[in-house]
Amino acid sequence: AQSVSQHNHHVILSEAASLELGCNYSYGGTVNLFWYVQYPGQHLQLLLKYFSGDPLVKGIKGFEAEFIKSKFSFNLRKPSVQWSDTAEYFCAVTYNTNAGKSTFGDGTTLTVKP
Amino acid sequence: NAGVTQTPKFRILKIGQSMTLQCTQDMNHNYMYWYRQDPGMGLKLIYYSVGAGITDKGEVPNGYNVSRSTTEDFPLRLELAAPSQTSVYFCASSYSDIAGRLTDTQYFGPGTRLTVL
Repeated sequence: AQSVSQHNHHVILSEAASLELGCNYSYGGTVNLFWYVQYPGQHLQLLLKYFSGDPLVKGIKGFEAEFIKSKFSFNLRKPSVQWSDTAEYFCAVTYNTNAGKSTFGDGTTLTVKP
Repeated sequence: NAGVTQTPKFRILKIGQSMTLQCTQDMNHNYMYWYRQDPGMGLKLIYYSVGAGITDKGEVPNGYNVSRSTTEDFPLRLELAAPSQTSVYFCASSYSDIAGRLTDTQYFGPGTRLTVL
């Protein structure tokens, strides 16, 4: 079965620290990749996505992610986190053979200390 | 443009009761989804629909039913509620091309928090 792994369940950082959240997926075919964020009390919203082209994609609020096909990875990065980045982050993968169905990782809770 | 709306926001059910979670989108998206999110877990796909009149099972469909009579609406029915169905339920929609590839992101509703006692 196709799966998505997020290795860090809970990350705690101080403001201005750099962030990298890991995401690996299990399928080697054509994929679309997403990072979603869920701020406390809010619903999921898109941070960034990769469909094709430049494997380094930039999203909102200074986030970026790099697609490395050989490693089946799509890690999320931010050079300097802020307290307002405290949220839960989900990696999701849509496999093109799956008619639009996305598989989500279990999520990473990021806590940024002021 | 309200996006994806869900009702109710909260609900408490007794074991064995039934209810319908409503989901409506006004973006003319062809794909719609129902997910559940349990504490500390990611989203699990319950059912999805690729268009009006077409639905299919996701990863965790047992205990649920759906229908898609219109493009806009995708209600989720719980029959004989069980404590294991206590969760937060999210509806989402997206647009896909003819080949079934997502050409856009998934837009999520605000969620319904359901407790079964």
